[in-house]
Amino acid sequence: DAEITQSPRHKITETGRQVTLACHQTWNHNNMFWYRQDLGHGLRLIHYSYGVHDTNKGEVSDGYSVSRSNTEDLPLTLESAASSQTSVYFCASSEDRVSPLHFGNGTRLTVT
Amino acid sequence: QKEVEQDPGPLSVPEGAIVSLNCTYSNSAFQYFMWYRQYSRKGPELLMYTYSSGNKEDGRFTAQVDKSSKYISLFIRDSQPSDSATYLCASDAGGTSYGKLTFGQGTILTVHP
Repeated sequence: DAEITQSPRHKITETGRQVTLACHQTWNHNNMFWYRQDLGHGLRLIHYSYGVHDTNKGEVSDGYSVSRSNTEDLPLTLESAASSQTSVYFCASSEDRVSPLHFGNGTRLTVT
Repeated sequence: QKEVEQDPGPLSVPEGAIVSLNCTYSNSAFQYFMWYRQYSRKGPELLMYTYSSGNKEDGRFTAQVDKSSKYISLFIRDSQPSDSATYLCASDAGGTSYGKLTFGQGTILTVHP
């Protein structure tokens, strides 16, 4: 079955380190998204992509970057991890711009 | 004021009850409305997806959108213990803003046997 997978499921890193979270989908969806989920803030959009080589900033993009070199993957990079980036990160994808988003099961990131 | 407001609950009901979950929103540009269910340590799972005003039914679930009052509802009939989860409403303006979902805070629901 087609699916969206995130790795790792859990990650602990130190302040200042570069971290990359992986997102891979096998639906061949054009659109991919990264959200973070925090108590008191809900889910907020970090970055998104409408296709290969397309990337856009979301509501909370500072300190994060993405690149889209193929249809299946949208890795999220924290350039220099900060404690404020401790969160649960969700990747999502959708087929076209009128379809709903489908989410992965998340990566729980702790920055110490 | 948040663009999407949702009563966080928690909400506790007996098995078999009808559950009503509600959200209000303030952005008139929102065109697409979603309900997601999220189990602990899992990602949001799409339950219902509607465009503009109206009702949509899928099994025990009914979603209602009233754009005139900016009100979104999800009804669960014959609730089951397996329905115990956090329910998230979300809205999207579509078009050039497609995929920029605005979520409510989530309502924690417990259905006890």
